[in-house]
Amino acid sequence: EVQLVESGGGLVQPGGSLRLSCAASGFTFSSYAMHWVRQAPGKGLEYVSAISSNGGSTYYANSVKGRFTISRDNSKNTLYLQMGSLRAEDMAVYYCARDYDPNWGVYGYFDLWGRGTLVTVSS
Amino acid sequence: QSVLTQPPSASGTPGQRVTISCSGSSSNIGSNYVYWYQQLPGTAPKLLIYRNNQRPSGVPDRFSGSKSGTSASLAISGLRSEDEADYYCAAWDDSLSGHYVFGTGTKVTVL
Repeated sequence: EVQLVESGGGLVQPGGSLRLSCAASGFTFSSYAMHWVRQAPGKGLEYVSAISSNGGSTYYANSVKGRFTISRDNSKNTLYLQMGSLRAEDMAVYYCARDYDPNWGVYGYFDLWGRGTLVTVSS
Repeated sequence: QSVLTQPPSASGTPGQRVTISCSGSSSNIGSNYVYWYQQLPGTAPKLLIYRNNQRPSGVPDRFSGSKSGTSASLAISGLRSEDEADYYCAAWDDSLSGHYVFGTGTKVTVL
């Protein structure tokens, strides 16, 4: 079955760190760019980060730049998001999503989504 | 914050046609493809329309997308109870070295 499964969410204190994982199965993971999109409780979708199929190119939204790091291990079919200096406004469900294209950019879009993992930032 | 503006809500009775608008600018909708995502209650988003008006396999032809200038629309014809969901438009934005942007989202209610 073609799917993405996120894990690693949980409760973290402000200023803390957390690493999210997204396990891919049923398709050739190394052929696709991947993304993280988040959704705060009761709010809309917010784009977070992207990584190309070979990991050579990344993108970060201004809201997370310098605090989050996206990476991937194509040998393990897994996408990661290392989150640091967490703030209350980072609290959200984090979705990983597959890009139609090997390189994120103008021609890409999100054709497969995981179910998400909830990150709660609170003291 | 979202740079694509959608109405917060839309509604219709079963069988009716509902249209959702998405307003952007020359740096996003005006020069790039528009995508639509459906998010059923308590679930992850799902691709509904890609490249302005293309439907992925499995999406009913009751859903259609269009684009004109710096605006786009999603139409749902023959509205059904299972269409009750949040709908988001999205596009690539050429500003600031390029990035993806989502719409503010529209909650569709089937009366």
